[in-house]
Amino acid sequence: GNSVTQMEGPVTLSEEAFLTINCTYTATGYPSLFWYVQYPGEGLQLLLKATKADDKGSNKGFEATYRKETTSFHLEKGSVQVSDSAVYFCALNGGSNYKLTFGKGTLLTVNP
Amino acid sequence: DGGITQSPKYLFRKEGQNVTLSCEQNLNHDAMYWYRQDPGQGLRLIYYSQIVNDFQKGDIAEGYSVSREKKESFPLTVTSAQKNPTAFYLCASSIGEQTQYFGPGTRLLVL
Repeated sequence: GNSVTQMEGPVTLSEEAFLTINCTYTATGYPSLFWYVQYPGEGLQLLLKATKADDKGSNKGFEATYRKETTSFHLEKGSVQVSDSAVYFCALNGGSNYKLTFGKGTLLTVNP
Repeated sequence: DGGITQSPKYLFRKEGQNVTLSCEQNLNHDAMYWYRQDPGQGLRLIYYSQIVNDFQKGDIAEGYSVSREKKESFPLTVTSAQKNPTAFYLCASSIGEQTQYFGPGTRLLVL
């Protein structure tokens, strides 16, 4: 079956540091890949997505590239801000069954 | 503004009681979903519905029930058979199999 593995947190960075959160997946076929962000006490917001190999999703300074050869979709940002503190979830949609498979989430804390 | 609303924000359940969580969307999405989130865990799918009057079990459907009488609405009932209901419940919707968009969530606590 489908699965998503993302780096365990928590991750603590200083403001303006470089961020990488690793995500690898196992899936049959050609899944779509997503990063969602959850701020404290809130629902999930779509951060970015990629639907085919070599696609790069980007939003708000965050980027992730769909790497089929390494089955990865790592999230990066060049300079984090305190307001980026949240939990980040990697997820995949395996296609015809409508189901999203999530990683366990990575808590990011950015200190001023 | 289009979006997904969930109510209430907090809900308290007594032993042996059924409670219903509301989810409404005005995005004209045909598919709707319910997920459960526990601390330190990813989201797990409870039920989903592709069209009105049809729904399918997800990975953890036991102790839950749903209905889909209107396109806009997908209420979730947590029954007394669910022995560990304390969690954060998230509703989502999508156009077909495309990107899912989430509501703000309901936190259910047991008294």
